[in-house]
Amino acid sequence: KAGVTQTPRYLIKTRGQQVTLSCSPISGHRSVSWYQQTPGQGLQFLFEYFSETQRNKGNFPGRFSGRQFSNSRSEMNVSTLELGDSALYLCASSPGTSGRSDEQFFGPGTRLTVL
Amino acid sequence: GEDVEQSLFLSVREGDSSVINCTYTDSSSTYLYWYKQEPGAGLQLLTYIFSNMDMKQDQRLTVLLNKKDKHLSLRIADTQTGDSAIYFCAEGALSGGYNKLIFGAGTRLAVHP
Repeated sequence: KAGVTQTPRYLIKTRGQQVTLSCSPISGHRSVSWYQQTPGQGLQFLFEYFSETQRNKGNFPGRFSGRQFSNSRSEMNVSTLELGDSALYLCASSPGTSGRSDEQFFGPGTRLTVL
Repeated sequence: GEDVEQSLFLSVREGDSSVINCTYTDSSSTYLYWYKQEPGAGLQLLTYIFSNMDMKQDQRLTVLLNKKDKHLSLRIADTQTGDSAIYFCAEGALSGGYNKLIFGAGTRLAVHP
């Protein structure tokens, strides 16, 4: 089985721009979660999607949004980029059907740099 | 509230055992996880333990859980230089929904000859 793929792997943007990151989960997995990793704040949960619906959301401003498509692929969008949005954005895939914190498989991440 | 704490650094000699400790606060967590992150890479799930278990062993890895004290540890036997990485403890937070992991800050393990 192919693992979780994230595109692009690296991205450089300037303040005020917007960005869209993509994640393709493991085949058959219906849940996709997004995390932000920074040296200062560590790993923080952004949101989780299951069957095209957002089931859970972390404490991030509305500039951070996401969606999931019928094939379970997910995108996250950050609008009006700030310097502090520079981070590694990780996507995690899981079956999502057991009603508990399933074993989550992470992709390699997208490294976003905001100048 | 939800919080996970770990020590930040651990240095061990090659061939020795490493023990990485973690404490968590959410008593509703039913699963606790250990992830490994190597430089420039994503997170690799190493092992996890269900909260009704005290211990789980998987080859060189042993996880011990003290639910009363909310303390989790990961022991790596015969530590090798390839084990050098950052290790994250995470609890599966059931309050508020599914599939939300709360991570510790990570323990950087350095293995020296």
